[in-house]
Amino acid sequence: EAQVTQNPRYLITVTGKKLTVTCSQNMNHEYMSWYRQDPGLGLRQIYYSMNVEVTDKGDVPEGYKVSRKEKRNFPLILESPSPNQTSLYFCASSLATGASYNEQFFGPGTRLTVL
Amino acid sequence: SQQGEEDPQALSIQEGENATMNCSYKTSINNLQWYRQNSGRGLVHLILIRSNEREKHSGRLRVTLDTSKKSSSLLITASRAADTASYFCATDFNYGQNFVFGPGTRLSVLP
Repeated sequence: EAQVTQNPRYLITVTGKKLTVTCSQNMNHEYMSWYRQDPGLGLRQIYYSMNVEVTDKGDVPEGYKVSRKEKRNFPLILESPSPNQTSLYFCASSLATGASYNEQFFGPGTRLTVL
Repeated sequence: SQQGEEDPQALSIQEGENATMNCSYKTSINNLQWYRQNSGRGLVHLILIRSNEREKHSGRLRVTLDTSKKSSSLLITASRAADTASYFCATDFNYGQNFVFGPGTRLSVLP
């Protein structure tokens, strides 16, 4: 089944404790992206990657890191989480950028609480 | 901010009625996409309309795009209780690299 998976789905942690949220897709998509969703604000893009070893900042990259060492994986790293990073996080992927059809496929979400 | 805005924020209708949601944006776009989100779950792509298209249909969905007004509308005809969800427009202004999502319209379809 074609899908985007995220782990963990739920996480409660404390300020300053490094964490990683994994994202994996099995559709051989070139493009992957991370979003956070907060009430009343819709989804805001954190980082995106157009292909392996190519990443770039979205609208709200502060406090986050990403890497794209393999095409299928795009982990989101919070080196020192803070309470304002409490949010619902989504990973998404699409076939390609450019003029191609670029429907995004979303993972199920990771609900993160930072105390 | 290049954020899109959906209107209304919330909409409540009876089953069988039509639901119309609007989206406005601020910059030139390559395409505009509509997504649905059931409570707390991942978004599901509904329909994409390119900047050179004016109208598109998919089943009970009809999307229009007016680039001169920088606005789009999503019409769901003959709504069903299962259509209850939040609906988001997403504008692609950088050839599939960057997407801006609006805050969404929360649709409730009452049986």
